[in-house]
Amino acid sequence: GQQLNQSPQSMFIQEGEDVSMNCTSSSIFNTWLWYKQDPGEGPVLLIALYKAGELTSNGRLTAQFGITRKDSFLNISASIPSDVGIYFCAGLSSGNTPLVFGKGTRLSVIA
Amino acid sequence: DAGVTQSPTHLIKTRGQQVTLRCSPKSGHDTVSWYQQALGQGPQFIFQYYEEEERQRGNFPDRFSGHQFPNYSSELNVNALLLGDSALYLCASSPLRGGYTFGSGTRLTVV
Repeated sequence: GQQLNQSPQSMFIQEGEDVSMNCTSSSIFNTWLWYKQDPGEGPVLLIALYKAGELTSNGRLTAQFGITRKDSFLNISASIPSDVGIYFCAGLSSGNTPLVFGKGTRLSVIA
Repeated sequence: DAGVTQSPTHLIKTRGQQVTLRCSPKSGHDTVSWYQQALGQGPQFIFQYYEEEERQRGNFPDRFSGHQFPNYSSELNVNALLLGDSALYLCASSPLRGGYTFGSGTRLTVV
């Protein structure tokens, strides 16, 4: 099935550092979503982006919808231990199409 | 307000058997989508149900079937289980367009 290209695959960072991850696609998406998944849980929505060029923040998280509509990035500032988990990007072509997910970025925070 | 509820949480089946997974959507949501998440991968779209009908289907064989009931709850059935069907099965509910909320998933192990 189709998947988005998400990078990096994994990251090990020190507590307090900033984190950046991104997602690219060969197809245009009209909506970009960023999810976090903890072990044994389903994905939880962090940020939703609906317009090309849109920059949206949710606390220490900031995400941007690329101008070409084929990419998005997520930044986490001043990481803390509870940021540990797997972060997924997901794209939506239109309201009637299913979500397409990246393979995830596994974030580990070293205290 | 309960979110998306999935049952059972864990399941072990033998190759060739059949399995039924259940999902109760978030209150106010009428659309249910099912995803398969293999270890280390992002969720892959199986199918989506709206108004008790399958609206869209991903690249999964006919062994995967589903149903939606008048109360919007849904079942995922998998026949003739294969070892490769071992995965976390996620249910996501939404209003007709967007706003996906995921359940915690059912971990299926086929032995």
